[in-house]
Amino acid sequence: DIVMTQSPDSLAVSLGERATIDCKSSQSLLYSSNNKDYLAWYQQKPGQPPKLLIYWASTRESGVPDRFSGSGSGTDFTLTISSLQAEDVAVYYCQQYYSTPMTFGQGTRLEIK
Amino acid sequence: EVQLVESGGGLVQPGGSLRLSCAASGFTFSSYWMHWVRQAPGKGLVWVSRIKSDESSTNYADSVKGRFTISRDNGKNTLYLQMNSLRAEDTAVYYCARTRIAVRDAFDIWGQGTMVTVSS
Repeated sequence: DIVMTQSPDSLAVSLGERATIDCKSSQSLLYSSNNKDYLAWYQQKPGQPPKLLIYWASTRESGVPDRFSGSGSGTDFTLTISSLQAEDVAVYYCQQYYSTPMTFGQGTRLEIK
Repeated sequence: EVQLVESGGGLVQPGGSLRLSCAASGFTFSSYWMHWVRQAPGKGLVWVSRIKSDESSTNYADSVKGRFTISRDNGKNTLYLQMNSLRAEDTAVYYCARTRIAVRDAFDIWGQGTMVTVSS
């Protein structure tokens, strides 16, 4: 199984500041035949289901604010929120969909400082 | 509106069975791979199972293999998860989710979840 490890486990950032969450996979998520990284980012607010933010490591889902961006390739990935808003308080998960089981990271809790 | 609505959760004794349903609407259900993902109270997301659009292929997490069965009825636009030999560690919110486009793709639509509690 591919193990997904996020860091940090929790993060406190001031409003308007940048938030960065890292995700590392135990094996490459880059599929050579199409040069795509099989990595997604989700946001989960309390009492709600996860919401897709980013897929193919860096493609923003429709309707997601452009302050959210994804980067990285292979085994190392980053979710960046360029200017933190109050509504961004949530737990964030990375997920690999390269192979089954489609594993998630343990989650990063993002709070306001 | 594209929507997934789960039902069938509840309290069940260890060793018991439960069948979850996920009703889809607002999209062509028969065209998409579908998944079940669970989340134990206060814990992270865990992928459980997936099924191909035409039901010809299924996959399971090792933790549920042999106990859970995923299925679908494309005529009723409904996804199912039959859970047998339930254990305390199966206690979780169970979400159904849609694969975005391809067989290996992100999950773009999620239901609100249904709670399963396994306890005596």
